[in-house]
Amino acid sequence: AQTVTQSQPEMSVQEAETVTLSCTYDTSENNYYLFWYKQPPSRQMILVIRQEAYKQQNATENRFSVNFQKAAKSFSLKISDSQLGDTAMYFCAFMKRAGNMLTFGGGTRLMVKP
Amino acid sequence: EAEVAQSPRYKITEKSQAVAFWCDPISGHATLYWYRQILGQGPELLVQFQDESVVDDSQLPKDRFSAERLKGVDSTLKIQPAELGDSAMYLCASSWTEAHNEQFFGPGTRLTVL
Repeated sequence: AQTVTQSQPEMSVQEAETVTLSCTYDTSENNYYLFWYKQPPSRQMILVIRQEAYKQQNATENRFSVNFQKAAKSFSLKISDSQLGDTAMYFCAFMKRAGNMLTFGGGTRLMVKP
Repeated sequence: EAEVAQSPRYKITEKSQAVAFWCDPISGHATLYWYRQILGQGPELLVQFQDESVVDDSQLPKDRFSAERLKGVDSTLKIQPAELGDSAMYLCASSWTEAHNEQFFGPGTRLTVL
């Protein structure tokens, strides 16, 4: 079974600064998918960024980028130029193959301060 | 923009009562997921449908939970009887097919069992 661990329950960052959220996972699979989802207060969960394990290049989506270290089973999320709207719970998630269920970490609550 | 719809958004019930949650996935999405998210934790899969068929219900407490997707479109999740430990957010998600890895989440139903 896969496990996902987020070791930072809460983090805060000043507006316009950069913050990195950590995630580690455990799997015996070689090909899989990793995701970061954002859950704003009282709003639905939305996909921030995804990474396919067979791709060596780290994924980037505007201000969001990941540092994917397959050997270390590490998948961190970097948010640059943090904005107040980035305040949310962030979940790291693992998917064994397309169409399978997501296995989530416990989440990191990020607060962006003005 | 198409979204996953869920109702009700909030439900308060007493233990031993029956409750039901409804989900309408994005039009055309063949795969539907029900997740349970206990406060402060990441979501965990309860059941996955491909069209009207159950793909994975290994984590569904079948003595009290049931789920159906009769026509392969909308879905209902039922709990009977509800227990105090069932208090949680129930999230519905959908994706185009099992070959697609992005899941789109609804706003959830927050259940409180008294």
